Amino acid sequence: NAGVTQTPKFQVLKTGQSMTLQCAQDMNHNSMYWYRQDPGMGLRLIYYSASEGTTDKGEVPNGYNVSRLNKREFSLRLESAAPSQTSVYFCASSEGDLPYQETQYFGPGTRLLVL
Amino acid sequence: SQQGEEDPQALSIQEGENATMNCSYKTSINNLQWYRQNSGRGLVHLILIRSNEREKHSGRLRVTLDTSKKSSSLLITASRAADTASYFCATGRGGSEKLVFGKGTKLTVNP
Repeated sequence: NAGVTQTPKFQVLKTGQSMTLQCAQDMNHNSMYWYRQDPGMGLRLIYYSASEGTTDKGEVPNGYNVSRLNKREFSLRLESAAPSQTSVYFCASSEGDLPYQETQYFGPGTRLLVL
Repeated sequence: SQQGEEDPQALSIQEGENATMNCSYKTSINNLQWYRQNSGRGLVHLILIRSNEREKHSGRLRVTLDTSKKSSSLLITASRAADTASYFCATGRGGSEKLVFGKGTKLTVNP
């Protein structure tokens, strides 16, 4: 049981390049989330998905797109990376359909540097 | 915003001592959660306490919630060097309101 996995662990991009961050969970959870963590800012929600095929914007969605491919996988895409998107990105999941009232399980993070 | 704010921002103690971290928030909540983050790692859930609960324990951890003061505290007893990490509170109002994380308390436990 791997929990929540994320790939890649680390990525360097040039401004304007695109990339997709992958996330998968093997706990049969309904809800999945993408956060970014910046120094002194805590975690901020980018997008969340309550179930396959549904997504909802979080606090900082601009510049990002997401796709809930199936129950296990939730990807985050940067279409045209900007230096302001340099951050650590975390994927998380929670069991049911009361996403903000439940324990969230986090992946190890993806460190992204945009030059 | 009902963001939780942890206090202090940083705390340094000796092994064996107790560590207390506080979280204050602005509006009524459904639940409050505490998470730990070791350096370079993801967050790990510690305890969830609901608004109708006043205290919860898990091993060496004790969490209290005072809804009248809109505050929570996390106590780690008999701390160990392995407890060195950042600790975050997260508040949820329920329904469709997003879980909101504070900026964290960085705890250092010196051997």
